[in-house]
Amino acid sequence: SAVISQKPSRDICQRGTSLTIQCQVDSQVTMMFWYRQQPGQSLTLIATANQGSEATYESGFVIDKFPISRPNLTFSTLTVSNMSPEDSSIYLCSVEIRGRTGELFFGEGSRLTVL
Amino acid sequence: AQSVAQPEDQVNVAEGNPLTVKCTYSVSGNPYLFWYVQYPNRGLQFLLKYITGDNLVKGSYGFEAEFNKSQTSFHLKKPSALVSDSALYFCAVKDQGGKLIFGQGTELSVKP
Repeated sequence: SAVISQKPSRDICQRGTSLTIQCQVDSQVTMMFWYRQQPGQSLTLIATANQGSEATYESGFVIDKFPISRPNLTFSTLTVSNMSPEDSSIYLCSVEIRGRTGELFFGEGSRLTVL
Repeated sequence: AQSVAQPEDQVNVAEGNPLTVKCTYSVSGNPYLFWYVQYPNRGLQFLLKYITGDNLVKGSYGFEAEFNKSQTSFHLKKPSALVSDSALYFCAVKDQGGKLIFGQGTELSVKP
């Protein structure tokens, strides 16, 4: 399996500010994704984080709001920009690792509350 | 487009009884199907997957799932439920781009 470290695990933020979430993986990663889980709801894919290039965003998500970096295979950041209370969610980093095709491993998530 | 549906928001089971959490899917081509579990304030944990082969898939913590192509279902089962199985369960299908599409989740409650 993979150990996925996400930081911060939780934070309380003020409206209009931005927060960057980090994801570090201890295994050889083939694919990396960022998901959002709003309160009481399922997981929604935000984007696929691509190494060394712009992320691939899903419908309804844009780079200006959710800039993503992935400078190397095992590290990525997601920024939630200009936050509003509607951005209060759990943000989860997810990876597929070499040798475990088809399985996604998830970090513990970053629980954001925007006041 | 690929999709999965979990028709039950909540399933209640007495400890020691068998449990079933339902999932149906809609895909073009061969489905890659998964079950994940989420305990309170935790990330998702992989339980099991169906890619090909035997229709009955065994996974972690004594769970199993049966792939039924004619009914387009992939129900999660366990012969004897434990209180510690109480959690949120997600069915998922992998789309052609390699992304997982999740169902809405089913809250499993196992009472002593």
